[in-house]
Amino acid sequence: EIVMTQSPATLSVSPGERATLSCRASQSVSSDLAWYQNKPGQAPRLLIYGASTRATDIPARFRGNGSGTDFTLTISSLQSEDFALYYCQQYNNWPYTFGQGTKLEIK
Amino acid sequence: EVQLVESGGGLVQPGRSLRLSCTASGFTFRDYAMSWVRQAPGKGLEWVGFIRSKAYGGTIEYAASVKGRVTISRDDSKSIAYLQMSSLKTEDTALYYCSRVASSGYLLAFFEYWGQGTLVTVSS
Repeated sequence: EIVMTQSPATLSVSPGERATLSCRASQSVSSDLAWYQNKPGQAPRLLIYGASTRATDIPARFRGNGSGTDFTLTISSLQSEDFALYYCQQYNNWPYTFGQGTKLEIK
Repeated sequence: EVQLVESGGGLVQPGRSLRLSCTASGFTFRDYAMSWVRQAPGKGLEWVGFIRSKAYGGTIEYAASVKGRVTISRDDSKSIAYLQMSSLKTEDTALYYCSRVASSGYLLAFFEYWGQGTLVTVSS
């Protein structure tokens, strides 16, 4: 099973600043990597797939990067609605696995 | 607009069974693979299983942690996916999400759309 490790566990950033979230796979997943946003009481939302392709209606301030084992999600100019939990997920190998999440909180 | 609405959660005793439903709308249900993902309290997301569309045999994949205790099925005439869980354990306590799966033919990929989830609590 591929283990996905996200860092940091919690990231404190001020509105308007940039946040960079990391995700590392225990072995190569090529570009088969997705990012999701999760807010309490809401359905998780797909942000990025294929490591760098934004999903439908996702603002351009969300950018995914990386391949192989190291990936980043960068959110430029943070808006109030961006403070949430973020998960990465690999779909290169069974079983598909998620990272443990990064909580993005307001500084 | 794609909508997925889970139902059927609740409080259940260990060893009992429960069936969750996921009612879909806003897309042609029969054309898509569907999945269940769960989130235990204070924990991250855990994939439970997939069911492919009938065009790809309607085949099913399960996570090892639930294999043998859960059955995923679908009723394309009603646009509903089901998760039948049996021999429930306290560690099955979680918020259960239904998701539409992006796929390339037989290959399944990421989770495109999600419902808001239904809470299952296993406790005596």
